[in-house]
Amino acid sequence: NAGVTQTPKFQVLKTGQSMTLQCAQDMNHEYMSWYRQDPGMGLRLIHYSVGAGITDQGEVPNGYNVSRSTTEDFPLRLLSAAPSQTSVYFCASSYLNGGQETQYFGPGTRLLVL
Amino acid sequence: GENVEQHPSTLSVQEGDSAVIKCTYSDSASNYFPWYKQELGKGPQLIIDIRSNVGEKKDQRIAVTLNKTAKHFSLHITETQPEDSAVYFCAARWGSGTASKLTFGTGTRLQVTL
Repeated sequence: NAGVTQTPKFQVLKTGQSMTLQCAQDMNHEYMSWYRQDPGMGLRLIHYSVGAGITDQGEVPNGYNVSRSTTEDFPLRLLSAAPSQTSVYFCASSYLNGGQETQYFGPGTRLLVL
Repeated sequence: GENVEQHPSTLSVQEGDSAVIKCTYSDSASNYFPWYKQELGKGPQLIIDIRSNVGEKKDQRIAVTLNKTAKHFSLHITETQPEDSAVYFCAARWGSGTASKLTFGTGTRLQVTL
């Protein structure tokens, strides 16, 4: 298993540009999430999905869209990038087993918005 | 929602010494507390977790303790080694079923010196 994969590893955007961060998992996990990581702030939840066709907002959803058309893929879209979206983005997948959850993170995408 | 505080933000120990990282949480209904290790340039990796019906859990050199009454939990690393150097995050899961979410602490940078 490749686990959770993310592309690209690094991206530079200009303010106002759009892009999609890709995330895929091959573990057949129902749950997938997107987090952003900023210095001194830990990981903050952007959007999450509990299954194909179901998405919901996390703590910091503004400026981001998601969709979940398949179990495997969970892309994150930035419609009009802003410098405040400069961050490291992590995708994670997880499953619930008897109420216990194990969350697996991807390697991250480092985004710089100029 | 949940609020998780983590201390200290940085910790330096000599090889062979013990390291302790502490977290407090606000939502008494939180029931799952994982710890993640993040090495430079990589995504967080689950190293140990504990559920609210357990007071302590050990896995070789690492252990986690939970005090539900005081709403705090701690990570203990014994006989530290240079490869333990990383950023460690605590988290708390609140809510139930598909609505449950993880809230992360702000991280502790552990440096193990020779």
